Amino acid sequence: GEDVEQSLFLSVREGDSSVINCTYTDSSSTYLYWYKQEPGAGLQLLTYIFSNMDMKQDQRLTVLLNKKDKHLSLRIADTQTGDSAIYFCAESILNTGFQKLVFGTGTRLLVSP
Amino acid sequence: ETGVTQSPTHLIKTRGQQVTLRCSSQSGHNTVSWYQQALGQGPQFIFQYYREEENGRGNFPPRFSGLQFPNYSSELNVNALELDDSALYLCASSSPSDNEQFFGPGTRLTVL
Repeated sequence: GEDVEQSLFLSVREGDSSVINCTYTDSSSTYLYWYKQEPGAGLQLLTYIFSNMDMKQDQRLTVLLNKKDKHLSLRIADTQTGDSAIYFCAESILNTGFQKLVFGTGTRLLVSP
Repeated sequence: ETGVTQSPTHLIKTRGQQVTLRCSSQSGHNTVSWYQQALGQGPQFIFQYYREEENGRGNFPPRFSGLQFPNYSSELNVNALELDDSALYLCASSSPSDNEQFFGPGTRLTVL
């Protein structure tokens, strides 16, 4: 099946680390993505990881993938107030002839000064 | 390099009307995907166009249709609008050799 789940809300203080978690169901996913959405805006691609990798680091962002448990996490180091947004996890599903993204419902991150 | 653009930014329609939303893909991208994002939800895949043909579709009724033009820009048409069609409509462009889909800012449709 195609289902992606995320916790709804996370609140942290500026300077702390944030960890946003995601679980997915389709074991054939090729890539897993993290997108950021600010109020009234479209989706900004933050980072992605290939399904045969365990970890990917990109500046303040660290993605961990546990393929056995179908669990993905995004860690944001030194979280800033500008990181306040909704974060979506998405899995890439490859069908015959096309690729689509299946998104979670999003985690709202609130960073307080 | 121009990013993905969408028009209009906002639109208000009444139930039963028809609407056309437009998307210009990022330079060099020949694939356009459309997603519907209802309030408080994640985006849901509607369909994808590649080289002017629909090559994949999600769980949306036939009154959702689309087109892709030779310059790879795309339209999403929705007939017989229903209240539940109120949402943010996002388009994303990509190329087949690419693992990334780049999203536009979206069109917010309100159906009254």
